Amino acid sequence: QLQLQESGPGLVKPSETLSLTCSVSGGSISSSSYYWDWIRQPPGKGLEWIGNIYNSGSTYYNPSLKSRVTISADTSKNQFSLKLSSVTAADTAVYYCARHGRAGIAVPGNAFDIWGQGTMVTVSS
Amino acid sequence: QSVLTQPPSASGTPGQRVTISCSGSSSNIGSNTVNWYQQLPGTAPKLLIYSNNQRPSGVPDRFSGSKSGTSASLAISGLQSEDEADYYCAVWDVSLNVWVFGGGTKLTVL
Repeated sequence: QLQLQESGPGLVKPSETLSLTCSVSGGSISSSSYYWDWIRQPPGKGLEWIGNIYNSGSTYYNPSLKSRVTISADTSKNQFSLKLSSVTAADTAVYYCARHGRAGIAVPGNAFDIWGQGTMVTVSS
Repeated sequence: QSVLTQPPSASGTPGQRVTISCSGSSSNIGSNTVNWYQQLPGTAPKLLIYSNNQRPSGVPDRFSGSKSGTSASLAISGLQSEDEADYYCAVWDVSLNVWVFGGGTKLTVL
């Protein structure tokens, strides 16, 4: 069964770059049936979609974060990664990686059906 | 301020039926299917309902979803103590070109 696991530093200094990796087991990120997403949740607040990668290289980002976000994939390691530059305290959150199926191809489609456990990232000096 | 509007809280007693609403607009709920997620304390969200009213394998039929126009609802019947969680609606917004989530509803089982 497919599992996702986030990893990366739990503390990042303001103005630096946040880097996280999502390791996928039990399935391939090269599958054209799925998108691989990053979603975050500030403490005590709701969920915010960051962006995704599909077909191992095509990306789509939340317009509000687009200038600071890069999502990439390493198919040899079956991992995908998030980089968020110029971070501030507002970027403090639990970061989740998740999978969502392409509508009309995967079931369930067009929904985040599998999530990682999440990793807390604090931005502080 | 979330694009999708949910009541911040809801409550019910064991065995009762509870509904949680999610209000949006023509560019999100009016244009696409709605998903619902359950987030138990300290855990990652879990897909509860997809495509407005479909349950993934393993989700009890006590949970049901519906959509009408620019609003959607999640209903939980036969409320149980383990249903105490935060519930989020989500949909793709075709104007903003982003997945949008409701602000979440905290369900308390009295």
